[in-house]
Amino acid sequence: AQSVTQPDIHITVSEGASLELRCNYSYGATPYLFWYVQSPGQGLQLLLKYFSGDTLVQGIKGFEAEFKRSQSSFNLRKPSVHWSDAAEYFCAVAPGAYNNDMRFGAGTRLTVKP
Amino acid sequence: DAGVTQSPTHLIKTRGQQVTLRCSPISGHKSVSWYQQVLGQGPQFIFQYYEKEERGRGNFPDRFSARQFPNYSSELNVNALLLGDSALYLCASSPTSRDRAVSGNTIYFGEGSWLTVV
Repeated sequence: AQSVTQPDIHITVSEGASLELRCNYSYGATPYLFWYVQSPGQGLQLLLKYFSGDTLVQGIKGFEAEFKRSQSSFNLRKPSVHWSDAAEYFCAVAPGAYNNDMRFGAGTRLTVKP
Repeated sequence: DAGVTQSPTHLIKTRGQQVTLRCSPISGHKSVSWYQQVLGQGPQFIFQYYEKEERGRGNFPDRFSARQFPNYSSELNVNALLLGDSALYLCASSPTSRDRAVSGNTIYFGEGSWLTVV
């Protein structure tokens, strides 16, 4: 069964600093991988996704993620964090193109210091 | 284009009652999924419906049921509510299978329905 681990529950970075949020997945075949962001009291917004091709994926709001099969990782990065990036970030894995049984990690809460 | 819309946005129910949550997918999307997000946790998959048929079910008790209508909107029903059912219930829609094969399994979430059971 697929699963996702986000090792960091809470991360604090200074505005303008770089950011990396970790995500490790467990799945036997090639996974579909996603990063979503959730602001307080809001639904989930898709930042980026990977399902094939180039292992470095560009997303919205200046985020990118790199798929590393050998490490079963899909870490999210941003070179310079803005105060508006403060939110909860979720990594998710889906088993294929026709199945919405996505498994989410527990989330990483990002705090941005001025 | 309108996104995924859910109603109601907030509601409070008493233990033992029943609740119905509603979802309208993005226009053209035929697949609807439901997720439960308990405070402090990631969303958990409850159901997927495609073309009005159940295509997947998560590890939830039979108190949870859903259906999809001919216009692809969906309802989630929860009977005999427990305190532990208090959560944000998220609806998500995704394109037809042919489009998804091209664009990948991208699903789009609504803002959710906050259910509090007291």
